[in-house]
Amino acid sequence: AQSVTQLDSQVPVFEEAPVELRCNYSSSVSVYLFWYVQYPNQGLQLLLKYLSGSTLVKGINGFEAEFNKSQTSFHLRKPSVHISDTAEYFCAAMDSNYQLIWGAGTKLIIKP
Amino acid sequence: DVKVTQSSRYLVKRTGEKVFLECVQDMDHENMFWYRQDPGLGLRLIYFSYDVKMKEKGDIPEGYSVSREKKERFSLILESASTNQTSMYLCASWSPVLGYTEAFFGQGTRLTVV
Repeated sequence: AQSVTQLDSQVPVFEEAPVELRCNYSSSVSVYLFWYVQYPNQGLQLLLKYLSGSTLVKGINGFEAEFNKSQTSFHLRKPSVHISDTAEYFCAAMDSNYQLIWGAGTKLIIKP
Repeated sequence: DVKVTQSSRYLVKRTGEKVFLECVQDMDHENMFWYRQDPGLGLRLIYFSYDVKMKEKGDIPEGYSVSREKKERFSLILESASTNQTSMYLCASWSPVLGYTEAFFGQGTRLTVV
């Protein structure tokens, strides 16, 4: 079955600390992968995407993600988080019918 | 700047009412989607449309219908609202052209059915 799994529903982290949000996808989906962010009471906006090429993808707001085909992972990282990064983060993969398959989301909680 | 606009940010409706949620995009995208977002469940696809007058059921279409009479507008209809349809509803559009693949979302409509 096609699926995207975000292993953590919440990740608490201190301000200025590094963070990693984990995402794994089933091998049956395509390798077009995305991370979206949802700030409180907002819609979703694209952070970054992997379609092909370099496995390290840089996005907005200092985030980056690494595509790892052997581990079927696409983890999101930031070296130093700020209070403004408080949001919910969604990983998604595109299937062969151009549909997006979504993970359940991870809430990033920044502790002062 | 690209935009997907949902007609309402917040709605309160009574059980049994017919509810219309409107979504308009200005990017000439072929594909439009309606999602429902509930805590811990992520985004669940209700319906999508890949062309005018075309519609496809998503994962949870029961209790909903859609209309796409014009390319830029995709409406979600709750035929008879029920309390279990209280949720955040998100509209999205995208074009499947590789290299430009990105879904654009509206701000969301938080619907409460009482």
